[in-house]
Amino acid sequence: DQQVKQNSPSLSVQEGRISILNCDYTNSMFDYFLWYKKYPAEGPTFLISISSIKDKNEDGRFTVFLNKSAKHLSLHIVPSQPGDSAVYFCAASPVYGGATNKLIFGTGTLLAVQP
Amino acid sequence: DGGITQSPKYLFRKEGQNVTLSCEQNLNHDAMYWYRQDPGQGLRLIYYSQIVNDFQKGDIAEGYSVSREKKESFPLTVTSAQKNPTAFYLCASRGGYNEQFFGPGTRLTVL
Repeated sequence: DQQVKQNSPSLSVQEGRISILNCDYTNSMFDYFLWYKKYPAEGPTFLISISSIKDKNEDGRFTVFLNKSAKHLSLHIVPSQPGDSAVYFCAASPVYGGATNKLIFGTGTLLAVQP
Repeated sequence: DGGITQSPKYLFRKEGQNVTLSCEQNLNHDAMYWYRQDPGQGLRLIYYSQIVNDFQKGDIAEGYSVSREKKESFPLTVTSAQKNPTAFYLCASRGGYNEQFFGPGTRLTVL
């Protein structure tokens, strides 16, 4: 049972345009969400997070939006750069700062930014 | 520099052999995690440890074992009981919040 879903395996955008990566979740107990970026043969790098008490969090070119009623979050990258080309993982946690803090990961979206 | 190191980066194993993957962190984090990544799949949790001398099974613990004798170290042993061990293994640690920080990974290939 895939509790965190990234339905688009890949996305291609032009340099300078907006990249929008989507993530859906099924477990209403999730209350903290994270985005990670991963290059091949490297570990994921934490990008940005959002707690369920917010609907938007922004950090430079990266903005995450959370729609709790739709159980949907998205990552916007503006403007997109060729160095942003990587696999992006969405992750969710059921308890903010809790004892186990197990992260449930989606299957990832490969973003390709074309020069 | 603070961070997480994993060694070796590439590891080859013959069928039937046990092999141990190293994970060390100097971030003073209490919690540490082991994940496995297969092509086209997300990261799946193998084992995690919230504190020294304690660890819990994750979603795919069969065929793996861990120890947590020191705060800084969380080695993973892939035993001969793991039926499909070829994968990319990632170690992570967590401080006070939910963000987990990952090491560079170990690519294990069974010959």
